Amino acid sequence: ILNVEQSPQSLHVQEGDSTNFTCSFPSSNFYALHWYRWETAKSPEALFVMTLNGDEKKKGRISATLNTKEGYSYLYIKGSQPEDSATYLCAFMGPTDSWGKLQFGAGTQVVVTP
Amino acid sequence: EAQVTQNPRYLITVTGKKLTVTCSQNMNHEYMSWYRQDPGLGLRQIYYSMNVEVTDKGDVPEGYKVSRKEKRNFPLILESPSPNQTSLYFCASKGGSSATGELFFGEGSRLTVL
Repeated sequence: ILNVEQSPQSLHVQEGDSTNFTCSFPSSNFYALHWYRWETAKSPEALFVMTLNGDEKKKGRISATLNTKEGYSYLYIKGSQPEDSATYLCAFMGPTDSWGKLQFGAGTQVVVTP
Repeated sequence: EAQVTQNPRYLITVTGKKLTVTCSQNMNHEYMSWYRQDPGLGLRQIYYSMNVEVTDKGDVPEGYKVSRKEKRNFPLILESPSPNQTSLYFCASKGGSSATGELFFGEGSRLTVL
């Protein structure tokens, strides 16, 4: 059962435009939320690990927010560039599980066209 | 260079022929984990290990075995592979405060079982 949902499944963005997408997770028993960026033919790479409600993190043109009370996180890409094309994965960790378990969403595939 | 190394990267095998996918990390991480990635399903956790000689089932452990005899290695064993184990497999490790540390992924092993 996929308790972590990402939407949309895919999106196409014009170069220079900004975009955002969502990761929804169980609001109870939250411990941490991870975001990963996965380029085709490469391995996923960590963007952020978020633990506190209201947390905002930023790395270059990519930022993320976290709302643990309502169970969602947004990832924003400002001024998209072709190199931002990738699948973005979120992963939820809840303390009711052993914290060795992370449950991943199916990802949002972002395609940035010049 | 800090890395997680998986072998083989690509493998085609036949039903029932035992195989092992090796995973090695050089970051002295205590935590290691195996995932499989199938279209539309995200990354699903197979097994994980919090430390040497400590392993636990993830969400989809059926048909797989693991061992953690030393910190750097975490092999995935398919005793009798079946076609439904055709998938892309990722090994990952994390260190620091493992509860919220980010995952470092290997490059993936694409397995086809005929």
